[in-house]
This record gives sequence, C-alpha cells and structure tokens, in this order.
Amino acid sequence: GQQVMQIPQYQHVQEGEDFTTYCNSSTTLSNIQWYKQRPGGHPVFLIQLVKSGEVKKQKRLTFQFGEAKKNSSLHITATQTTDVGTYFCAGRGSGNTGKLIFGQGTTLQVKP
Amino acid sequence: KAGVTQTPRYLIKTRGQQVTLSCSPISGHRSVSWYQQTPGQGLQFLFEYFSETQRNKGNFPGRFSGRQFSNSRSEMNVSTLELGDSALYLCASSFSDRQGTQYFGPGTRLLVL
Repeated sequence: GQQVMQIPQYQHVQEGEDFTTYCNSSTTLSNIQWYKQRPGGHPVFLIQLVKSGEVKKQKRLTFQFGEAKKNSSLHITATQTTDVGTYFCAGRGSGNTGKLIFGQGTTLQVKP
Repeated sequence: KAGVTQTPRYLIKTRGQQVTLSCSPISGHRSVSWYQQTPGQGLQFLFEYFSETQRNKGNFPGRFSGRQFSNSRSEMNVSTLELGDSALYLCASSFSDRQGTQYFGPGTRLLVL
C-alpha cells in the first residue's frame, strides 16, 4: 500500500541555522500537505502543493514538490525558537478515493 | 467559526473495556477523519467519513469502528481495549470530500491500563 517516509526523525539546530525535512512516497501523489504540531498541541495546516515541481514560500519556509510528484521538502531558513515542533508531510494518493497518508514527522529542536 | 471539538479530552480505561470518542467538526464541514497518534508510529489514519458514509479506511482491526451522523458529528468506538490502544486520538474535519485541508481538534488522550 501507499507509504510516506519522512527524514530525518529528529533534528537539533542552533538558532539561526537552516533546517530541511524530506518526504518520499512509494507512489505518485495527487497532492501533498504540510502540517506543524507544537509540543502538546495538535497538527496545524501549513500548505498544500499540487503541481509537479511546485515551489511555495511562506516567509522563512520554502516548500517544494518533486517533478515526479513522489517527494517533497520543507526548508526553514535561519531557524528561530518559535519553529520548534514536529513537521508532518501528508500525501494523498491519486484517484477520488486516495487516502491522505502522513509521514512519521520530523521533530525540530532549536537551541537559542 | 468554532474549531473542531473532541470529547472527552482524557480517558482512562482498563483492558477489555470499550470506549466511544466524539468529534464535532467545524460548522459546514462534512468530512471527518480520525487518526491515532503514538510516539513510535506517528499519525496513523483510521477512517474518513463524508455525509454519513465511510469513504476510506486505514489498516486497523475491526475493533475500531466509527460513524457519522446527519449533523456531521462523528463518533469512534474501540471495543475490547488493549494496552497498545493507548494513544492520542485526533479528529480532523475538512470542507471537501477528498480529505482536503485537515483542521484538527485537540484530541482525546486514551490510557489503557
């Protein structure tokens, strides 16, 4: 069945350093979504990518969807302590009944 | 608009018991999905309902079931609880029937002793 793998599982960075998390699917995706979950909180939607090769930016966050629509990445420039949390990608399979499958998440710790 | 609400927020049960969790979606949202979150397994998809019909189901045993009512509220039931069912159960609502943007509730933390 469809699987979504996300790496790394954990990342510790110094404040001001960059951070990247990668997401890979075993099958072609119709779209991919990214969520952030703060410690003790629930996942909150960040963005959705639909087109092959799509790149979207939100301030210091850059999201990419691969040309083959099987991988994606989230890059944070100059991390801040407010970036702490777990970042999840969620890929939706193709077809009307495609399930939304979440990656295992990357937990980011930022040292001030 | 009010967000997704889930009740109860915390629950302690013993093995063999059953439990029912409730989720009220954002007003106007007709899709409700359920997820199990554990430290080792991440977010695992349980099922999705749209207009009272189950649209998708994850790879969970039949002990896990759900339903959706005409007002879009949803319930999830777990029968014959096992220790491994201890987890945070998250409900998410979506406007569309294709698991669009998921708006998550705060979750129900279930502890099975």
